Amino acid sequence: QVQLVQSGAEVKKPGASVKVSCKASGYTFTTYYIHWVRLAPGQGLDWVGCINPASGGTNYAHKFQGRVTMTSDTSVTTAYMDLSSLRSDDTAMFYCATSVLPRTHFDYWGQGTQVTVSS
Amino acid sequence: EIVMTQSPATLSVSPGERATLSCRASQNVGSRLAWYQQKPGQAPRLLIFDTSNRATGVAARFSGSASGTEFTLTISSLQPEDFAVYYCQQYNDWPPQHTFGQGTKLEIK
Repeated sequence: QVQLVQSGAEVKKPGASVKVSCKASGYTFTTYYIHWVRLAPGQGLDWVGCINPASGGTNYAHKFQGRVTMTSDTSVTTAYMDLSSLRSDDTAMFYCATSVLPRTHFDYWGQGTQVTVSS
Repeated sequence: EIVMTQSPATLSVSPGERATLSCRASQNVGSRLAWYQQKPGQAPRLLIFDTSNRATGVAARFSGSASGTEFTLTISSLQPEDFAVYYCQQYNDWPPQHTFGQGTKLEIK
């Protein structure tokens, strides 16, 4: 069965960067896009962007453009999200999720990674 | 950016009753809309995709519909496990710019 296992919680200072991983299993890694979604306390879900592991191509949400980099490593079936210039409003749970195409719903979700930004 | 507006923010309903959740898109998204359920401490779970298609394993009491840019998630007879936060998502933009609504919290009355 499809499983997405994310890396553990992180605590970072404002202005720092964080790299979160999403290890995929149970399917051919290059057949699904991987998306990243932020859920901040008291807020709704925010799409951060997505990557096509087959090509490495990415699409980022306008609000995160310039601060986010998504990569993938097919040898270890893992996707990564690197978010820089962290601010207090980046304190949130970050989820990875899969879709068959870049413009469709998200079928499977990781368990989430808590990122806390605090001085 | 397409803005998704959900209403109400909180909905109080008794078990066994019907719940109707709304989601409005700021522009046309066709049928490219999904609904997710999220419970505390859990990841979101796909319920409905392409406006009205139930995801695998989703109970038949969940249904989705649309009229223009107004989308509705209906839960016909609420079960205790249905009390959660529900989000709508549009995926019509190209290049992809997925947007979600702010969520509706469904609570026990």
